[in-house]
Amino acid sequence: QSVLTQPPSVSGAPGQRVTISCTGSTSNIGAGYDVHWYQQLPGTAPKLLIYSNNNRPSGVPDRFSASKSGTSASLAIAGLQADDEADYYCQSYDRNLSVYWVFGGGTKLTVL
Amino acid sequence: EGQVVESGGGLVQPGGSRRLTCAASGFTFRIYNMHWVRQAPGKGLEWVSYISSSSSVIYYTDSVKGRFTISRDNAKNSLYLQMNSLRAEDTAVYYCARESPLSIWGQGTVVTVSS
Repeated sequence: QSVLTQPPSVSGAPGQRVTISCTGSTSNIGAGYDVHWYQQLPGTAPKLLIYSNNNRPSGVPDRFSASKSGTSASLAIAGLQADDEADYYCQSYDRNLSVYWVFGGGTKLTVL
Repeated sequence: EGQVVESGGGLVQPGGSRRLTCAASGFTFRIYNMHWVRQAPGKGLEWVSYISSSSSVIYYTDSVKGRFTISRDNAKNSLYLQMNSLRAEDTAVYYCARESPLSIWGQGTVVTVSS
């Protein structure tokens, strides 16, 4: 059971918009710690997609956006493309655990 | 921007040891904190260990405390993970990553613990 909760899967048709939620608690996201998002394409290493809640590294298309509110965060992908099909993970920091850096369980995005 | 390359994985018997190495290049390694993150087959990402830039602060996830040791050699631009008393549940791809946000990841090295 992950400290941050994500839906196991989401899907959408090309061109559509999907969102992926990441639910935490008052000891991590709700405590004000930043949320980062990673994309893991099949068979590859994770890649930083969004950092510090809503910032895109250079090279990441503006179709990807994210937000944070209270004890949750969400990732939105607009204009879905076939090569967006991947696993997406949220990550934050937890002050109550000895794990410190915590990941969501991951969400598999399927482009129909 | 830089890169990191992991090595040292392989097949290990339960109870055995393995030392992973992460070679950094293209960035000033000595000023960055570093992490090890693992991914068991078909599972999600799990944070394993952290070391500060000067090695003064080190953390481990509970399941590896007392068995794994993280270290670094800033002169050699290298990060290490010494893994002892390995268990089947340690089987995973092990990634090294540059400080949170984890902006640079290696391709990973596979550790399989099996008899």
